[in-house]
Amino acid sequence: DAKTTQPTSMDCAEGRAANLPCNHSTISGNEYVYWYRQIHSQGPQYIIHGLKNNETNEMASLIITEDRKSSTLILPHATLRDTAVYYCIVRPKNSGNTPLVFGKGTRLSVIA
Amino acid sequence: DAGVIQSPRHEVTEMGQEVTLRCKPISGHDYLFWYRQTMMRGLELLIYFNNNVPIDDSGMPEDRFSAKMPNASFSTLKIQPSEPRDSAVYFCASSPFQGGGLTDTQYFGPGTRLTVL
Repeated sequence: DAKTTQPTSMDCAEGRAANLPCNHSTISGNEYVYWYRQIHSQGPQYIIHGLKNNETNEMASLIITEDRKSSTLILPHATLRDTAVYYCIVRPKNSGNTPLVFGKGTRLSVIA
Repeated sequence: DAGVIQSPRHEVTEMGQEVTLRCKPISGHDYLFWYRQTMMRGLELLIYFNNNVPIDDSGMPEDRFSAKMPNASFSTLKIQPSEPRDSAVYFCASSPFQGGGLTDTQYFGPGTRLTVL
């Protein structure tokens, strides 16, 4: 069972920030929040992950609430190529390379 | 690095035929995963290997499915006999072992789209 809840779909105007929420109210202290995305006809792609601090890389930023029960993935300047299904996944800190458990994700449509 | 390589990219076969899907993981990665994606069930794990040894095959649907990893650079997923309900996209992913409290990242191949008529 997926431990996360995400909206089914979202739209975002090209050039604007895309903010994708994820609820993980049952997350435990030793679990990370991971984000992957899947562009049409491609395999899933890792974006970012975090434990409790906010994280930023070249692709996105991850904002985790203080109580860790929810998070937001931010694509600062969305482009048409960011149209994809975005998956929020909770995984144990010392997962030992265990498999990913995918939910239904959020289908993000970036509109010109 | 070429990334995870899967072949064929597309496979169309008739019910009852044997199907073999192939995967070459990223060099140096210790873990290899096979996932299947359908509209009804989404992405789900079939089996995964660590250092060529199967660790968890609980996701393999039934005895018609088998997977092997004869060496660190090659894995196969075989379906015999194939059925229409096996139609799906099959993904292979690999990841490096990351110890010291760090978690891993999985790198996915482009997938094999299987159609069983």
